Amino acid sequence: SQQGEEDPQALSIQEGENATMNCSYKTSINNLQWYRQNSGRGLVHLILIRSNEREKHSGRLRVTLDTSKKSSSLLITASRAADTASYFCATDDSGGGADGLTFGKGTHLIIQP
Amino acid sequence: ETGVTQTPRHLVMGMTNKKSLKCEQHLGHNAMYWYKQSAKKPLELMFVYNFKEQTENNSVPSRFSPECPNSSHLFLHLHTLQPEDSALYLCASSQELAWQTGELFFGEGSRLTVL
Repeated sequence: SQQGEEDPQALSIQEGENATMNCSYKTSINNLQWYRQNSGRGLVHLILIRSNEREKHSGRLRVTLDTSKKSSSLLITASRAADTASYFCATDDSGGGADGLTFGKGTHLIIQP
Repeated sequence: ETGVTQTPRHLVMGMTNKKSLKCEQHLGHNAMYWYKQSAKKPLELMFVYNFKEQTENNSVPSRFSPECPNSSHLFLHLHTLQPEDSALYLCASSQELAWQTGELFFGEGSRLTVL
């Protein structure tokens, strides 16, 4: 069953602006991860946040996690044309014992030059 | 270059053909995964292997048959597929399983078209 669900499905902004994507999930988790995918390519890991963490930074990326609301957000600051890609959140399932990550449908981000 | 190599990158096959997808990882990881990515659908986890043993099969039809001869290699054998099986098949590996906070490293995928 689908675990993570990103919002919005598509986002178009001007270069230099900040981009915010949200993810909601359904079950208890040990960690939440964000991945990026360029068109037709494999996914690349961006950042992992553990269930006992509330915020994490990596370069221009900022991730928040609210386990009480079962939601996370990914903020990309000072966006660049090269940030154009699809972004996915992924969760494990600490209660179900699944061994793989469950991904959402993703947010397609377009950065207009 | 993620350290995970998938071949072939593109494959076109008829419904009666038998073909295989190959995945090799050079990262020394213990877990390997097959995911299916179809248009407008979330990635679907198909199979998980940990230390060569299958630990998860998400109700995948038997026309998909995985094989993991060692921790570095993973195959997906395909036979009598349907057109709806056309998709991007992604292989991934991780040092630990997802619930152990394992970050996945993905290959570039094999784009499969079933005619």
